[in-house]
Amino acid sequence: DAEITQSPRHKITETGRQVTLACHQTWNHNNMFWYRQDLGHGLRLIHYSYGVHDTNKGEVSDGYSVSRSNTEDLPLTLESAASSQTSVYFCASTNRQGETQYFGPGTRLLVL
Amino acid sequence: TQLLEQSPQFLSIQEGENLTVYCNSSSVFSSLQWYRQEPGEGPVLLVTVVTGGEVKKLKRLTFQFGDARKDSSLHITAAQPGDTGLYLCAGVISNYQLIWGAGTKLIIKP
Repeated sequence: DAEITQSPRHKITETGRQVTLACHQTWNHNNMFWYRQDLGHGLRLIHYSYGVHDTNKGEVSDGYSVSRSNTEDLPLTLESAASSQTSVYFCASTNRQGETQYFGPGTRLLVL
Repeated sequence: TQLLEQSPQFLSIQEGENLTVYCNSSSVFSSLQWYRQEPGEGPVLLVTVVTGGEVKKLKRLTFQFGDARKDSSLHITAAQPGDTGLYLCAGVISNYQLIWGAGTKLIIKP
């Protein structure tokens, strides 16, 4: 069965370190998204991609970057982790506008 | 900035009671989606409403899209403990993106 996976599921890091969160989908979807979820804010879009070599900034992109070298993967990098980036991060993918977004299980990140 | 206001943020009721969750915006959406999220998991799509005034039913859950496609409601009849979870609405805008409500944390007590 097709799926979307994220790793690691839990991560503790220190302020200033670079961190990369992995997202891998086997749906063969062109469109992939990274969100962060914080209490009281719902899901906020960080970055998104419509295909290989395409990346775009979302509403909360400062301090984050992504790259898309193939269809399956969209890794999210925190260039220099800050305590404000402590959150739960979700990756999602979809094939068509307005269709289901399929979410990974999330990565819980703690920046100390 | 497009906003989607979801209310209430938290709801705790007894098994068997009815409840309604609301999502409101000043923006018009091409469609609106409702997701449910369990602890430690990602959101899972429940339903998409597309046409103004549309009503969709999923067992004891009834979803309605406002006539002007700016608001939506989720009504649960005779809530069960298995309905416990975080309910999220999301308005579909252009370019595959969604505008998300903050979520309603629902607890159904046996």
